Amino acid sequence: NAGVTQTPKFRVLKTGQSMTLLCAQDMNHEYMYWYRQDPGMGLRLIHYSVGEGTTAKGEVPDGYNVSRLKKQNFLLGLESAAPSQTSVYFCASSYGLGRGGETQYFGPGTRLLVL
Amino acid sequence: AQSVTQLGSHVSVSEGALVLLRCNYSSSVPPYLFWYVQYPNQGLQLLLKYTSAATLVKGINGFEAEFKKSETSFHLTKPSAHMSDAAEYFCAVSEGSGYSTLTFGKGTMLLVSP
Repeated sequence: NAGVTQTPKFRVLKTGQSMTLLCAQDMNHEYMYWYRQDPGMGLRLIHYSVGEGTTAKGEVPDGYNVSRLKKQNFLLGLESAAPSQTSVYFCASSYGLGRGGETQYFGPGTRLLVL
Repeated sequence: AQSVTQLGSHVSVSEGALVLLRCNYSSSVPPYLFWYVQYPNQGLQLLLKYTSAATLVKGINGFEAEFKKSETSFHLTKPSAHMSDAAEYFCAVSEGSGYSTLTFGKGTMLLVSP
């Protein structure tokens, strides 16, 4: 099993450009998440999904959109990139039992630089 | 609301010395607590978690953590550090019997010197 994979690994954007980050998992997990990691800030939740066709806002959703059209994929979109969105983006998934204590499995990350 | 505080953004130890990384949490209901590790240029992986069973939790690579409700703490320890333990460590909390998202601390970078 590949686990959680993310595409691309690295990207440079100019301010105002758009892009989509793709997350895929092959563990048949119900829940998926997008985080951003910034130095000294830990991981902050952007959006998450508790099932195909559902999405919800996390702690820092502004400037991002997401879609979960297929259970195994979770897309993160930046419609108009800003330098403040320079970050490392991590996708994660979990089984989805509907209770706390679930382990989240993380992808390797996407480094995004917005100039 | 849930939150996590990790004391010390950087901790330095010598190889063979005790590792102690501190985590305090705030939660209005009984929490679930996690420690994740991130090696350079990699994603996070679970070290261990507390889910209301035994208060002393053992994880991978010789790490363990003790849940202390009275102190609202979940400190991570390892008796003898290895060079390979150098990484960033994150404490995280989720709360309640129903589903809730994870809230991460800001992380502690563990530096191990020979």
